[in-house]
Amino acid sequence: IAGITQAPTSQILAAGRRMTLRCTQDMRHNAMYWYRQDLGLGLRLIHYSNTAGTTGKGEVPDGYSVSRANTDDFPLTLASAVPSQTSVYFCASRQGYTGELFFGEGSRLTVL
Amino acid sequence: EDQVTQSPEALRLQEGESSSLNCSYTVSGLRGLFWYRQDPGKGPEFLFTLYSAGEEKEKERLKATLTKKESFLHITAPKPEDSATYLCAVPNFGNEKLTFGTGTRLTIIP
Repeated sequence: IAGITQAPTSQILAAGRRMTLRCTQDMRHNAMYWYRQDLGLGLRLIHYSNTAGTTGKGEVPDGYSVSRANTDDFPLTLASAVPSQTSVYFCASRQGYTGELFFGEGSRLTVL
Repeated sequence: EDQVTQSPEALRLQEGESSSLNCSYTVSGLRGLFWYRQDPGKGPEFLFTLYSAGEEKEKERLKATLTKKESFLHITAPKPEDSATYLCAVPNFGNEKLTFGTGTRLTIIP
């Protein structure tokens, strides 16, 4: 089934540890996004990539990094996790400039 | 800075009781407004795109409308399966990314 695959589904992490959230899409979409979703704050954009080889900062990029080596993969790395990064992380993609983002099922991250 | 505000935060309706959700926005040149549905534990799912004031889109019991300052998601005779969080979003000026509202959590009681 075509779509966005995120891994892991859920993770508990000690503060200070490094963590990479994986995101793969098989729709050949150019643009990909990482959002975090927190109660009362909604979805906030962390980083995005309009095409392979390019990335940009979103609303809340500090403490996160991304890479886009190819069209399909867009990993999000927390270099040194902090408790405030406890959240649900969603990866998404879209083709062109339509408003239709396709979202993954999310990765629930808890930093202790 | 683009801003999107949704109201109410939560809405409980009896099955069959029609109502509307509101999404007001402040953007420098509207390039579309988008509605999504999100079920618990899932990622948002696209519903509608509206591009100009006066435009309407329908899907089953949902109808989205757009004015120059806000959008409404009207739900007619809702069923329990319509229970979800409904999100609206607008693209930034360069259309590179979407800014989302915080959503309305809709509960339909049988």
